[in-house]
Amino acid sequence: GDKVKQSPSALSLQEGTNSALRCNFSIAATTVQWFLQNPRGSLMNLFYLVPGTKENGRLKSAFDSKESYSTLHIRDAQLEDSGTYFCAAERSGSFNKLTFGAGTRLAVCP
Amino acid sequence: EAGVTQSPRYAVLQEGQAVSFWCDPISGHDTLYWYQQPRDQGPQLLVYFRDEAVIDNSQLPSDRFSAVRPKGTNSTLKIQSAKQGDTATYLCASSFDSNQDTQYFGPGTRLLVL
Repeated sequence: GDKVKQSPSALSLQEGTNSALRCNFSIAATTVQWFLQNPRGSLMNLFYLVPGTKENGRLKSAFDSKESYSTLHIRDAQLEDSGTYFCAAERSGSFNKLTFGAGTRLAVCP
Repeated sequence: EAGVTQSPRYAVLQEGQAVSFWCDPISGHDTLYWYQQPRDQGPQLLVYFRDEAVIDNSQLPSDRFSAVRPKGTNSTLKIQSAKQGDTATYLCASSFDSNQDTQYFGPGTRLLVL
């Protein structure tokens, strides 16, 4: 089965609303990275997480290694937040080798 | 600071042809990664290097794919005798080191094999 499972697979939001994306891991993840791939295909790093929480502007992310999941919260969604969000997990002892999920496609509408 | 650069941005081949992709990582980053991203999927790691040494190439189809990083800076990924199933975006990334560090991605090369 999927080692990194993302949900939902697709999402549509009204501008100004909030949402949460989730990753569940079936591997022992030690760190998690979240990326946004814009419509042109560029992958931008949003967060690098050890177990705990980080916040950056309207984005907040948490990683719970014991319960094997991570979340990404988007507050006050804007049109430029549209794209595909990927989470990727590093397995213990794998020297920064990342396993990616299949992504969540987000469309923010006016 | 310049980001990760890749070339070419696009390539179109007939089956059986060869192609090379080139990557220049962020200056000072000792670890370099090559990923394959099929359409509508997440990136999948093919091979990665620390300096000039391969750390892991277990997911690289060794019969047709090869990757080198001879001076520990730029890297080349080559596909001999491309197949239609190789159609994907090939992404290069780099990180400061291979010990739990943020990965920074280049813009990718979109490959179409006809």
